[in-house]
Amino acid sequence: ETGVTQTPRHLVMGMTNKKSLKCEQHLGHNAMYWYKQSAKKPLELMFVYSLEERVENNSVPSRFSPECPNSSHLFLHLHTLQPEDSALYLCASSQGSGSDTQYFGPGTRLTVL
Amino acid sequence: GENVEQHPSTLSVQEGDSAVIKCTYSDSASNYFPWYKQELGKRPQLIIDIRSNVGEKKDQRIAVTLNKTAKHFSLHITETQPEDSAVYFCAASWGSYIPTFGRGTSLIVHP
Repeated sequence: ETGVTQTPRHLVMGMTNKKSLKCEQHLGHNAMYWYKQSAKKPLELMFVYSLEERVENNSVPSRFSPECPNSSHLFLHLHTLQPEDSALYLCASSQGSGSDTQYFGPGTRLTVL
Repeated sequence: GENVEQHPSTLSVQEGDSAVIKCTYSDSASNYFPWYKQELGKRPQLIIDIRSNVGEKKDQRIAVTLNKTAKHFSLHITETQPEDSAVYFCAASWGSYIPTFGRGTSLIVHP
């Protein structure tokens, strides 16, 4: 599937590193999302962008910094992460927001040492 | 805000049996209820959804029912197969509001 792509697929980083996750959607959607998925926990919404403007930030620590340069691309910049930040980070897009189907990317499996 | 409860957290069935997963929601304004399936190591994908102007929707072996009065909706899978084994998530939303997801149900179908 090529609708929503994410890179890298796997990432191992130390607590002092700075890295970025990239998401790209080829569906012409207007909304993009970052979710965190940890073992035994529900999907946690981190950020939502609609038409390149951030519309929701669920009290995510400042060590996570999103960037949406255009409606097709979404980044998540990471710095000074903690081991508990290790998780699968999923990107998704939808035509609008709310009552539209979300299309997920394959995720980035992040391990923080 | 919206709160979605999903039960059970784990469901184990024999191949050929039916499986039912139930979600309840708190915001009576919610009118869109999708179900996503996430196979091990893969991304969540929509399998069926329902809007509040209908009470039931079917697609081959899967169906979703909605009871707006009681504020609950359920996923029904008949004639389960091993490839149905996955984590299933329900969600609820309305208008432009971001959907709220349930905690997920791990379905295990034993051959």
